[in-house]
Amino acid sequence: DAGVIQSPRHEVTEMGQEVTLRCKPISGHNSLFWYRQTMMRGLELLIYFNNNVPIDDSGMPEDRFSAKMPNASFSTLKIQPSEPRDSAVYFCASSRLAEETQYFGPGTRLLVL
Amino acid sequence: GQQVMQIPQYQHVQEGEDFTTYCNSSTTLSNIQWYKQRPGGHPVFLIQLVKSGEVKKQKRLTFQFGEAKKNSSLHITATQTTDVGTYFCAGSLTGNQFYFGTGTSLTVIP
Repeated sequence: DAGVIQSPRHEVTEMGQEVTLRCKPISGHNSLFWYRQTMMRGLELLIYFNNNVPIDDSGMPEDRFSAKMPNASFSTLKIQPSEPRDSAVYFCASSRLAEETQYFGPGTRLLVL
Repeated sequence: GQQVMQIPQYQHVQEGEDFTTYCNSSTTLSNIQWYKQRPGGHPVFLIQLVKSGEVKKQKRLTFQFGEAKKNSSLHITATQTTDVGTYFCAGSLTGNQFYFGTGTSLTVIP
């Protein structure tokens, strides 16, 4: 079975540009999570969805960040405008509601110059 | 807010030595999970503990959940170079929202 799929795997952009990260969860999973990982802050939960509905977005740093889940098989995390401090690895993870085990995607390594 | 702390932050051991990482929560948890992240990789689920005082083993790895369900530990016996990585605990209060710990980075010296 395919795991969680994220694209792109690497992104280099200039400050001020819009960045869109994409995630396809495992089929049949009802929960989706977006994380950011940096050396300074470790692994931070940004937002999570249950059945395509955002449940908790308290981890979203500021209004420049937005996330959507238009259907059960696709989610996006958008940063507009991007800043150098947004440079990090962004992980998407999914889980079945009942099992609660989270399966992580390979991550998107974002560098904002 | 909810905090899950791990100690130590870094650990260097000689191959064959034992290793332990500790996870502590400021509040009582409903359950706790452990993940391993290899350098350059993504977190991979290892195990989930639910019951107070629960102990589970996976080969050389022993996981324990405290009686008060506020702390947990992961112990590796006779470390190998394949054990290198960062070990995270993740505690849950309700449902499936987990708060990840700060992680312990393990280096194994051959």
